[in-house]
Amino acid sequence: GNSVTQMEGPVTLSEEAFLTINCTYTATGYPSLFWYVQYPGEGLQLLLKATKADDKGSNKGFEATYRKETTSFHLEKGSVQVSDSAVYFCALSDQTGANNLFFGTGTRLTVIP
Amino acid sequence: GAGVSQTPSNKVTEKGKYVELRCDPISGHTALYWYRQSLGQGPEFLIYFQGTGAADDSGLPNDRFFAVRPEGSVSTLKIQRTERGDSAVYLCASSLVSGPSSYNEQFFGPGTRLTVL
Repeated sequence: GNSVTQMEGPVTLSEEAFLTINCTYTATGYPSLFWYVQYPGEGLQLLLKATKADDKGSNKGFEATYRKETTSFHLEKGSVQVSDSAVYFCALSDQTGANNLFFGTGTRLTVIP
Repeated sequence: GAGVSQTPSNKVTEKGKYVELRCDPISGHTALYWYRQSLGQGPEFLIYFQGTGAADDSGLPNDRFFAVRPEGSVSTLKIQRTERGDSAVYLCASSLVSGPSSYNEQFFGPGTRLTVL
């Protein structure tokens, strides 16, 4: 079946620190992988995605590389800002039929000045 | 343009009551999804519509849950005989198309927070 295991939080970092949030997955077939972000008081937003092995998704300074050999899609950012404080969800879609998303449990990131 | 909207934003009801949650997708989006997010968890898939028909309802937890999309646009999630365990945020998402495509990004609404007392 399909599942996503995500690094548990919460994570607290100082501004300009390096961020890694780990995500591994189990899937049938060839999934697409996503990171969604939920800012305080807002809905889920797509942050970045990768649709095949070795693809790198990037947006707003965040990056994640689709690693088929390790079934991972870790989220990284070199220098976090206070405005990055949010809950981050790793997700996959098996790209068949409904294309519905399978989410991890989410990681809450707090960046302090 | 307008994003996905959901009403109400909050719903408090008593155990055993019936509730309806509404989703207005982005205009022109043919695919519509319902998810449920319990406290401290990621969203879990409930049901998917392609046009007017429920193409996949495998995520509905039991027969108290039902959803419709009669004209292929607005959708209503209906919960009968609510239980305390139904308390969660119910999320709706829409996409231009479904399946493996560059146009299948799901756009999420703000959710309806349901509390069953």
